[in-house]
Amino acid sequence: NAGVTQTPKFRILKIGQSMTLQCAQDMNHNYMYWYRQDPGMGLKLIYYSVGAGITDKGEVPNGYNVSRSTTEDFPLRLELAAPSQTSVYFCATWTSGRNEQYFGPGTRLTVT
Amino acid sequence: AQSVSQHNHHVILSEAASLELGCNYSYGGTVNLFWYVQYPGQHLQLLLKYFSGDPLVKGIKGFEAEFIKSKFSFNLRKPSVQWSDTAEYFCAVNVAGGSYIPTFGRGTSLIVHP
Repeated sequence: NAGVTQTPKFRILKIGQSMTLQCAQDMNHNYMYWYRQDPGMGLKLIYYSVGAGITDKGEVPNGYNVSRSTTEDFPLRLELAAPSQTSVYFCATWTSGRNEQYFGPGTRLTVT
Repeated sequence: AQSVSQHNHHVILSEAASLELGCNYSYGGTVNLFWYVQYPGQHLQLLLKYFSGDPLVKGIKGFEAEFIKSKFSFNLRKPSVQWSDTAEYFCAVNVAGGSYIPTFGRGTSLIVHP
């Protein structure tokens, strides 16, 4: 199993550009999450999904959109990038079998 | 909604020193508790978790944590740290029985000098 994969690993965007951060999992987990991590601020939940076709906002959803058309994929869309979106983004899943989250390797995004 | 406080933001220790990282949460009901570790440049990995039973939980790499319900605390301990324990440590809390949407603390950066 590859676990949770994220692409790209790094990206530099100009203000106003758009991009999609990809997240895929091969563990058949229902729950998936997007977090952003800023220095000294811990993890902030952006969006989450409890299954295909179901998504909901987290703590900091403004400026982002998600979709969950399949169990495996949970892409995060930035429509009009702003410097405040410079961060490291982590995708994660949860398994009820082991009661823990599995995290992807992260995407480091810089908006200039 | 629950919240999580990690009071130590930065901790610097020498190898073989003992470690205790504080974690307090605010929620009056039953919770599930977690400690995650993030090594430099890597993603978060689970260290240990508490759901029920013995409040003293043992995790990987010699770490343990004690759940003290009366103090709303779940402190992480290790009797003798190693240079390889240099990492960021996150405490997380989830309301038991609900949707699995954990709340994370701000994290504690641990540096261990050889």
